[in-house]
Amino acid sequence: GAGVSQSPSNKVTEKGKDVELRCDPISGHTALYWYRQSLGQGLEFLIYFQGNSAPDKSGLPSDRFSAERTGGSVSTLTIQRTQQEDSAVYLCASSLLGQGLTDTQYFGPGTRLTVL
Amino acid sequence: GDSVTQMEGPVTLSEEAFLTINCTYTATGYPSLFWYVQYPGEGLQLLLKATKADDKGSNKGFEATYRKETTSFHLEKGSVQVSDSAVYFCALNPGNNRKLIWGLGTSLAVNP
Repeated sequence: GAGVSQSPSNKVTEKGKDVELRCDPISGHTALYWYRQSLGQGLEFLIYFQGNSAPDKSGLPSDRFSAERTGGSVSTLTIQRTQQEDSAVYLCASSLLGQGLTDTQYFGPGTRLTVL
Repeated sequence: GDSVTQMEGPVTLSEEAFLTINCTYTATGYPSLFWYVQYPGEGLQLLLKATKADDKGSNKGFEATYRKETTSFHLEKGSVQVSDSAVYFCALNPGNNRKLIWGLGTSLAVNP
């Protein structure tokens, strides 16, 4: 079946502009995650959704970052007033349950964001 | 808090060499352990996992055994190929939390 998809695959924007990144999880997966991968860094957790609610937003780096999920499916990560340090690959993952030791996260190809 | 430490790269090997990438973890409970792989230009893919002590995960010739006594989950392959060149990430799922805890990744380059 179809995997996790993300769009756009690449986004170049100017400092100060807003951007929206989209994630389509695997059908039927209740949990959705956003991570950020910066050059030379590991993966940084941003936010987790269970259904349409976000029980864990602890990784969002500032109030310029927000995310929503609608219909228990598609999620949008919005970055307002982008800064150069926001440049990174933004990864989305989904999992069936969002709980339990056997739950596995499946990743999308990522969106590469470059802020000039 | 929970954490994952994996060996720094880059690791450079010749084709058919034996591979070990070390991964150790710190966790208060009984986590699940994962290895993900990121091939050049591609997204993260699950390589293998183990959900309890002494479990062995295996896939594509790679193996890793969940060792609770040494809190380790080292990745091994007996004979690497050029196509195994990628970045390998060790991660843990604490079970009582939602987010995976990640190592920093180990870059592997296999030369023909």
